[in-house]
Amino acid sequence: QKEVEQNSGPLSVPEGAIASLNCTYSDRGSQSFFWYRQYSGKSPELIMSIYSNGDKEDGRFTAQLNKASQYVSLLIRDSQPSDSATYLCAVNLDSGGGADGLTFGKGTHLIIQP
Amino acid sequence: DGGITQSPKYLFRKEGQNVTLSCEQNLNHDAMYWYRQDPGQGLRLIYYSQIVNDFQKGDIAEGYSVSREKKESFPLTVTSAQKNPTAFYLCASSINGYEQYFGPGTRLTVT
Repeated sequence: QKEVEQNSGPLSVPEGAIASLNCTYSDRGSQSFFWYRQYSGKSPELIMSIYSNGDKEDGRFTAQLNKASQYVSLLIRDSQPSDSATYLCAVNLDSGGGADGLTFGKGTHLIIQP
Repeated sequence: DGGITQSPKYLFRKEGQNVTLSCEQNLNHDAMYWYRQDPGQGLRLIYYSQIVNDFQKGDIAEGYSVSREKKESFPLTVTSAQKNPTAFYLCASSINGYEQYFGPGTRLTVT
């Protein structure tokens, strides 16, 4: 059974600080990892993907992957009130056939305090 | 504009009725997916399709059916056999089988 675990929060961070969101997954065969942002009442929006160990940076966002520890994280630098949302971690088990679905965590509710 | 459209945005049905949710994409993506989201929960995979005329069950396929007659369209039918159909339904598509992009969703309420 594939599982993805996230702390539900809320995680409260002052404006301008670094927000750190964490995710663990159960399936060692997992190969692809994604972070989605979901505003209340809206659909998820893909903000980061990461496939190999290490860090991947895109603007204010940095995704970190450690496959040995089965851990993936998202850092948001210079947090803005507009970053307040629920962040969903998603994992894909690459069975070789590709294009199968994602397993999602329940999300972390992030609040950026002005 | 390229994108994924879902209609309607809100849908209300009486218990015992089947209902079909629409999902259309003009991104030329091969793979399409249906997920369900309940309050405070992550998304759960219902069905997915990698190519036209082929689809696979996801984790919670019972009470649902799909078809994939065209590359652009992947409609989901919620049947009367689905015990708890009220939820937020999300359609996604992917060009490479990895990064998935979501439509705006349909909120279904069954009373």
